[in-house]
Amino acid sequence: GAVVSQHPSWVICKSGTSVKIECRSLDFQATTMFWYRQFPKQSLMLMATSNEGSKATYEQGVEKDKFLINHASLTLSTLTVTSAHPEDSSFYICSAGSKAETQYFGPGTRLLVL
Amino acid sequence: SQQGEEDPQALSIQEGENATMNCSYKTSINNLQWYRQNSGRGLVHLILIRSNEREKHSGRLRVTLDTSKKSSSLLITASRAADTASYFCATNAQAGTALIFGKGTTLSVSS
Repeated sequence: GAVVSQHPSWVICKSGTSVKIECRSLDFQATTMFWYRQFPKQSLMLMATSNEGSKATYEQGVEKDKFLINHASLTLSTLTVTSAHPEDSSFYICSAGSKAETQYFGPGTRLLVL
Repeated sequence: SQQGEEDPQALSIQEGENATMNCSYKTSINNLQWYRQNSGRGLVHLILIRSNEREKHSGRLRVTLDTSKKSSSLLITASRAADTASYFCATNAQAGTALIFGKGTTLSVSS
């Protein structure tokens, strides 16, 4: 089946720094990718929809200036957490969608902000 | 926003028993999917059921869908300790759109 990778798998950073997370579709082209966030013992919450070549669509309550999304190619979307704070510590998961029914999820990136 | 609720929130059973988890959703769907997530890990896709289907089987898994009640159930038969995980249902309104996840059920299977 299709594979989606994320990099890094985990990151620890100091408060105030920015962290970039990459999401790659390895064997298919993804015009749309989705970014989710999962806090401990909670479900996945959709943050934004990343569209290749256009601006991302953010869910209500998600700050677009804090969570910068770039989908510059059909196989890569990046999420940058700017000026990270401890409350941004979470598990970030991307998925790649197509017109097909199944979405393919990356393995996730665990972010810890000290 | 969360699509709906799952119940129970937590379920503890013995190996060999069956586990049933339920999921409700609020809006019209294209399909409903079930995922498993082991602690601290990524998602594993289990099964997809389309809005025009009522029941689907895959190995020890049985999924039902009742669109009139906007609900689905996941049955795991003859459970094993390795089935211990969190289970989430997820829906989307159209193919290719974002999945909206339920709150999940944490299943613990003891040997």
